[in-house]
Amino acid sequence: GENVEQHPSTLSVQEGDSAVIKCTYSDSASNYFPWYKQELGKRPQLIIDIRSNVGEKKDQRIAVTLNKTAKHFSLHITETQPEDSAVYFCAANSNFGNEKLTFGTGTRLTIIP
Amino acid sequence: DAGVIQSPRHEVTEMGQEVTLRCKPISGHNSLFWYRQTMMRGLELLIYFNNNVPIDDSGMPEDRFSAKMPNASFSTLKIQPSEPRDSAVYFCASSLGQPTRTIYFGEGSWLTVV
Repeated sequence: GENVEQHPSTLSVQEGDSAVIKCTYSDSASNYFPWYKQELGKRPQLIIDIRSNVGEKKDQRIAVTLNKTAKHFSLHITETQPEDSAVYFCAANSNFGNEKLTFGTGTRLTIIP
Repeated sequence: DAGVIQSPRHEVTEMGQEVTLRCKPISGHNSLFWYRQTMMRGLELLIYFNNNVPIDDSGMPEDRFSAKMPNASFSTLKIQPSEPRDSAVYFCASSLGQPTRTIYFGEGSWLTVV
């Protein structure tokens, strides 16, 4: 089955700086890679996703890149703000017709004012 | 839409008791997932239904856990008997499936077994 590794487990950045979180996956058949944000005590919520037919996707301050050859994908947050503090999870889905996601172990991002 | 609705939001129970968690998926969604979240193991998929049929239950820890989806608008996850190591947040989630594939999570059921 799919295995997703995520690094780093914790990350602290100064407000206004950029943050980068990286994930690798094992199944070359994986074709859908969402990122979820989970605030303390809340549910995970989708912030951005990318499919295997594109290499990069951007939404305002958030961008995701995908390297299928190397089997890794990354989340980039620019101009970080205090409200970006949360746990971020990457995920991958490998089977067409099977919608289950395998999640990474999460990155706790802290924005330092 | 009200989103994925779970109940109870919080439950404290004694070891050995039966626990039933309930979920109402988003109307029109044909996939339903039960995830468990703990500090040690992160987000684990327990079981996944498509059109009310269990597709993948490889994550169900053991026979003490069972899940049902009798219709498109309701699912249960049952633990019998419960043990302290079952303490976790249990999330139900639903999805429209292809092509959007976005999975929407409920607020979670916070279970403590003492």
